[in-house]
Amino acid sequence: GAVVSQHPSWVICKSGTSVKIECRSLDFQATTMFWYRQFPKQSLMLMATSNEGSKATYEQGVEKDKFLINHASLTLSTLTVTSAHPEDSSFYICRGAQDSNTEAFFGQGTRLTVV
Amino acid sequence: AQKVTQAQTEISVVEKEDVTLDCVYETRDTTYYLFWYKQPPSGELVFLIRRNSFDEQNEISGRYSWNFQKSTSSFNFTITASQVVDSAVYFCALSEQGGSEKLVFGKGMKLTVNP
Repeated sequence: GAVVSQHPSWVICKSGTSVKIECRSLDFQATTMFWYRQFPKQSLMLMATSNEGSKATYEQGVEKDKFLINHASLTLSTLTVTSAHPEDSSFYICRGAQDSNTEAFFGQGTRLTVV
Repeated sequence: AQKVTQAQTEISVVEKEDVTLDCVYETRDTTYYLFWYKQPPSGELVFLIRRNSFDEQNEISGRYSWNFQKSTSSFNFTITASQVVDSAVYFCALSEQGGSEKLVFGKGMKLTVNP
């Protein structure tokens, strides 16, 4: 199956700093990228949906100025957690889709710890 | 609105036992897709199955089988002769249309298989 490569797999950062997470589609063009967040022992919740070349659409309750999403190319989407705080510590995972008729694929996930 | 309910939160079995994970969904769409994912302790999401709403045939893949019943809006997953390696959190999910739309996840069910 298609591959979405997500990096880093884990990161520890200091409170107040920013962290960038990258998702690359290796063998297909990801027209759409979904970004999910999973707090410990909870389910995955959609944060935002981005389409290549367009502004991301954020789910209710997700701060767009805090979670910056860039999807400038068909093979790369990034999520930047700005001014991170301990409550942002979570598992972040992307899911790339080529079009509405094909399956979408998850990245490996990034475990963010803010200290 | 779409909703996925996994009523069981945690199940513990002994190796070689059969176990069924329940999933009940709600949607107003006539076309939709149902998924099961496995999330081992490492965190990545392992795709298990994708089924569209027009295909009610049950499916078997090795020790895994799925029972899709539109009449009860259920998509249950059975593991036969469970193994320790099956220990993980299992998520049922639902999406609209072509399957590459956003996924709505159930809360997940933690399965522990003891030797």
